[in-house]
Amino acid sequence: GNSVTQMEGPVTLSEEAFLTINCTYTATGYPSLFWYVQYPGEGLQLLLKATKADDKGSNKGFEATYRKETTSFHLEKGSVQVSDSAVYFCALTLSQGAQKLVFGQGTRLTINP
Amino acid sequence: DAGITQSPRHKVTETGTPVTLRCHQTENHRYMYWYRQDPGHGLRLIHYSYGVKDTDKGEVSDGYSVSRSKTEDFLLTLESATSSQTSVYFCASGETGVSGNTIYFGEGSWLTVV
Repeated sequence: GNSVTQMEGPVTLSEEAFLTINCTYTATGYPSLFWYVQYPGEGLQLLLKATKADDKGSNKGFEATYRKETTSFHLEKGSVQVSDSAVYFCALTLSQGAQKLVFGQGTRLTINP
Repeated sequence: DAGITQSPRHKVTETGTPVTLRCHQTENHRYMYWYRQDPGHGLRLIHYSYGVKDTDKGEVSDGYSVSRSKTEDFLLTLESATSSQTSVYFCASGETGVSGNTIYFGEGSWLTVV
């Protein structure tokens, strides 16, 4: 079946540190890959996406590259800020019509000043 | 951001009572979804809709039903609530585009079944 595995949290970093949140996937076919972010008390917001191998998604200083050979889509940011504290979800979808997202379990990130 | 509103935002109910959560979107999206969020599980799809009166089950549909009588509204009903249905419920909507489909999420409905 299709599944997404994220590194377990919580992750705590100091401001300006380098961030990596690992995400690997299993899929029957060629999925599109997503990172969503959830700030406290809010819904999920799309952070970035990639629809084919070697694509790089980027937004707000975050980046992730679709690596088909390692079935991975790791999230990175060079210098995190306190405002980046949130829960991050990796997800995939294989559907062309109704995009039924399959989510990882989420990684809680806390950035200390 | 897409205009997705959920109601109620918070509800406490007793075991065995029926509960309906409402989702309203203003983007004329074809597709709508209900997910539940639980610790350690991320979000899991309950039901989804691909048009008015067209719905299908997701991976955790047992104990839930949905209805979509208008494009903008998607209702989730727990016919007889159980404690295992205590969760945060998220509605989402989206449309297919040339560059794929972006799904937009509502702010969530916190449901506690006591």
